[in-house]
Amino acid sequence: EAQVTQNPRYLITVTGKKLTVTCSQNMNHEYMSWYRQDPGLGLRQIYYSMNVEVTDKGDVPEGYKVSRKEKRNFPLILESPSPNQTSLYFCASSLATGVLNTAFFGQGTRLTVV
Amino acid sequence: QQQVKQSPQSLIVQKGGIPIINCAYENTAFDYFPWYQQFPGKGPALLIAIRPDVSEKKEGRFTISFNKSAKQFSLHIMDSQPGDSATYFCAASRELGKLIFGQGTTLQVKP
Repeated sequence: EAQVTQNPRYLITVTGKKLTVTCSQNMNHEYMSWYRQDPGLGLRQIYYSMNVEVTDKGDVPEGYKVSRKEKRNFPLILESPSPNQTSLYFCASSLATGVLNTAFFGQGTRLTVV
Repeated sequence: QQQVKQSPQSLIVQKGGIPIINCAYENTAFDYFPWYQQFPGKGPALLIAIRPDVSEKKEGRFTISFNKSAKQFSLHIMDSQPGDSATYFCAASRELGKLIFGQGTTLQVKP
């Protein structure tokens, strides 16, 4: 089954404690991205990757890091989480950008930073 | 110029009603306009999409209307059902560009 898998689904952590949210896709997609969803703000892109070892900032990259060492995996790293990073996070993948970009989303990770 | 503005933020209709969700954009270079549907606890999923060379696209009970001159597009749900209750996101992109999402509309269809 074609899917994007995120882990964990729920996470409560304390300010400053480094964490990683994993994302894996089995569709051989080149393009992967991370979004955060906040009420009234919609989906905002954090980082994206056009291919292995190619990553770039989205609209709200501050406080986040990513890496793309393998095509299927695109982890999101919060080196020093803060309460304003409490949000619902989604990983997405697509075959390409632009007009072929039907984005397939993971189930989401609800992060709470206290 | 990269923004997509979506309204209303929330919408409640009775079963059988026709909810309409509107989106407006600024960037005339956008050439792909999808709508995503998100059920509680799930990630968004593509519902329907339109290119600017057509003014309307229908898939089942879902219709996108597109007004290129006004830079607006909308989603209509005919004969809405309680199972359509979800959050809907419009989006826009240009070729080789990223998706820009609207703010989302939470729809509740009452039985």
